[in-house]
Amino acid sequence: SQQGEEDPQALSIQEGENATMNCSYKTSINNLQWYRQNSGRGLVHLILIRSNEREKHSGRLRVTLDTSKKSSSLLITASRAADTASYFCATVRYSGNTPLVFGKGTRLSVIA
Amino acid sequence: DTEVTQTPKHLVMGMTNKKSLKCEQHMGHRAMYWYKQKAKKPPELMFVYSYEKLSINESVPSRFSPECPNSSLLNLHLHALQPEDSALYLCASSPPGQTNEKLFFGSGTQLSVL
Repeated sequence: SQQGEEDPQALSIQEGENATMNCSYKTSINNLQWYRQNSGRGLVHLILIRSNEREKHSGRLRVTLDTSKKSSSLLITASRAADTASYFCATVRYSGNTPLVFGKGTRLSVIA
Repeated sequence: DTEVTQTPKHLVMGMTNKKSLKCEQHMGHRAMYWYKQKAKKPPELMFVYSYEKLSINESVPSRFSPECPNSSLLNLHLHALQPEDSALYLCASSPPGQTNEKLFFGSGTQLSVL
């Protein structure tokens, strides 16, 4: 299965701390994406990293990709209570018409 | 308009009912998706439409019937559902040239089958 596995399954931190979530996957990929989902709502695309990239930044987000280890990490710096959500990695095996497959997700709680 | 709108937000139906979920976007996206999500689980792909044609059907039971009447609308027709079909149904779309690269999701329809 291509499905990613996030680690940890749940994470609780204080406001202002950094949060790191990891994602491992099993097959070679074209790209890996991170999404956020607030409880019972739709998902929001955060960032995409391609297989030939090693690191990307977007605001307080930093994503790394290690294709040799088939893993990625999402770092949220200076967390806020509003960052409380579930975070999913999602992989695409080939470009074009291959489906996005979501990992199991990490539930992040940021305590004010 | 940068939204994907899903209606209804909540739906309760019996196993003999026929109902439809509706999804609409006006961003000019030509790929549209249906996902099913059970509580505390990741979304699972059901269908993908590309330029109004069904391109992926992930072996979904025939009691779920998708329809894409035009480039802005996506429907999911439901008939003779089972209680285990209760879930959050999410619609998504992606821009041309970014199929499966940046999905815009609606807020979902929370479906309960009694």
